Amino acid sequence: DAKTTQPTSMDCAEGRAANLPCNHSTISGNEYVYWYRQIHSQGPQYIIHGLKNNETNEMASLIITEDRKSSTLILPHATLRDTAVYYCIVRASGGSNYKLTFGKGTLLTVNP
Amino acid sequence: EAGVAQSPRYKIIEKRQSVAFWCNPISGHATLYWYQQILGQGPKLLIQFQNNGVVDDSQLPKDRFSAERLKGVDSTLKIQPAKLEDSAVYLCASSLVASQRPSGEQYFGPGTRLTVT
Repeated sequence: DAKTTQPTSMDCAEGRAANLPCNHSTISGNEYVYWYRQIHSQGPQYIIHGLKNNETNEMASLIITEDRKSSTLILPHATLRDTAVYYCIVRASGGSNYKLTFGKGTLLTVNP
Repeated sequence: EAGVAQSPRYKIIEKRQSVAFWCNPISGHATLYWYQQILGQGPKLLIQFQNNGVVDDSQLPKDRFSAERLKGVDSTLKIQPAKLEDSAVYLCASSLVASQRPSGEQYFGPGTRLTVT
C-alpha cells in the first residue's frame, strides 16, 4: 500500500470548515483513499473513501486532485466533537486482505 | 445495530503473566481484525480472520501472542507471557467481506487498555 504524509497537528475554530490535507504521491491506479478518525479513548471511526471523483457524505467531503497524488478531507462546519486524530490511508479495494496501515495521523483541535 | 463489543476495557497485569481479550463483532461481519495501538502511534494490524480462517498474521508475535475465532463469530486474543512493551490498547474491528462491500470499511470496538507493570 502507498505511503501517506499528513501534518502532525492542525487547529480550527468551531463553526468553520476544517481542511485536512494528505499527500500520497505513490498511489497506484487501483488504490483508494480512506479517511478514519479516532476520538480520544475510542476506536477509529470510518469517515469516507474515494478513488478519483470527489465524494461527500453526511460527515465530510473528500477532494482528490486530478493526478491523485493528494487529497483533502473537509469538515464543513467543525464542532468541538470533531476534535480527534484523523488518519489518511491508501489501500486497494476488493480482495480478501483489507489490512489498514495507519500512520500517526493529524491531530485536529477544534477551538471554541 | 449493535457495534463491536470488547472486554475487558482495562487490564493491569505484571510482566510474565498471561492475559486474554474478547471481541464480539457486528452481526453478519465475516471479517475480524485485531490491532495493537501503542501510545502516540496509529493502530497496527496483528491478525485478520475471515470466518474462522486466518488471512494475515504476519505481524503477530507468535512466540507470545495467539488468537482464535473458533466458530467464526467471537474471537479471543491472548498474550502469554506478557512483556512491558505489550502495554497498549488492543482494538478489535470487523467488516463485511468483499463480495458484500468491496470498499471494506472497518468498524472498531472501544478497545482494551493493557498496562503491564
